[in-house]
Amino acid sequence: DQQVKQNSPSLSVQEGRISILNCDYTNSMFDYFLWYKKYPAEGPTFLISISSIKDKNEDGRFTVFLNKSAKHLSLHIVPSQPGDSAVYFCAAIPLPNKLIFGAGTRLAVHP
Amino acid sequence: DTAVSQTPKYLVTQMGNDKSIKCEQNLGHDTMYWYKQDSKKFLKIMFSYNNKELIINETVPNRFSPKSPDKAHLNLHINSLELGDSAVYFCASSQDPGQVNTEAFFGQGTRLTVV
Repeated sequence: DQQVKQNSPSLSVQEGRISILNCDYTNSMFDYFLWYKKYPAEGPTFLISISSIKDKNEDGRFTVFLNKSAKHLSLHIVPSQPGDSAVYFCAAIPLPNKLIFGAGTRLAVHP
Repeated sequence: DTAVSQTPKYLVTQMGNDKSIKCEQNLGHDTMYWYKQDSKKFLKIMFSYNNKELIINETVPNRFSPKSPDKAHLNLHINSLELGDSAVYFCASSQDPGQVNTEAFFGQGTRLTVV
């Protein structure tokens, strides 16, 4: 039973446009979320996080939005660049020492 | 300098063999993990160690035995390998395990193929 869901396995966006990656979770007790980015043959790297006391966190071109009532978060990348092409994992931390990941969304940014 | 390093990067072995994957972190973190990414690309936690002590052990066959000789190392030993063990295994580390809002740093992964 997946507690963190990324229902879009892939997303294709034109360079310069906005990329929106979505994530849903099932447990309303989750209160900290992270996005990781993964290139082929590399480990995931931390991108951005958000605590449930916020509804938005911004870091450069990356913004994460959290809607607690809908148990939904999204990652916005503006403007999208070809180097952003990767797999993006949403994750939640229900307990210390334990990350639960979604299945990932493969983003392709084309010129 | 690599923060979390795993060896080997690729491992091909026959069913029934015993193999180990090594992991080292130079970040001074207290907590280390093993994650498995299966054929469906799900990343799932297997084990978590804090200061050489096991604190999370998900439902993993006892053929998998993690060993932490010190807090900078967490090795994964797998006995009697099966075809279903084929996956990419990621080691990770983090600081402040008592806090929820701690990101984990991942190694580059070990692709294990059992034939």
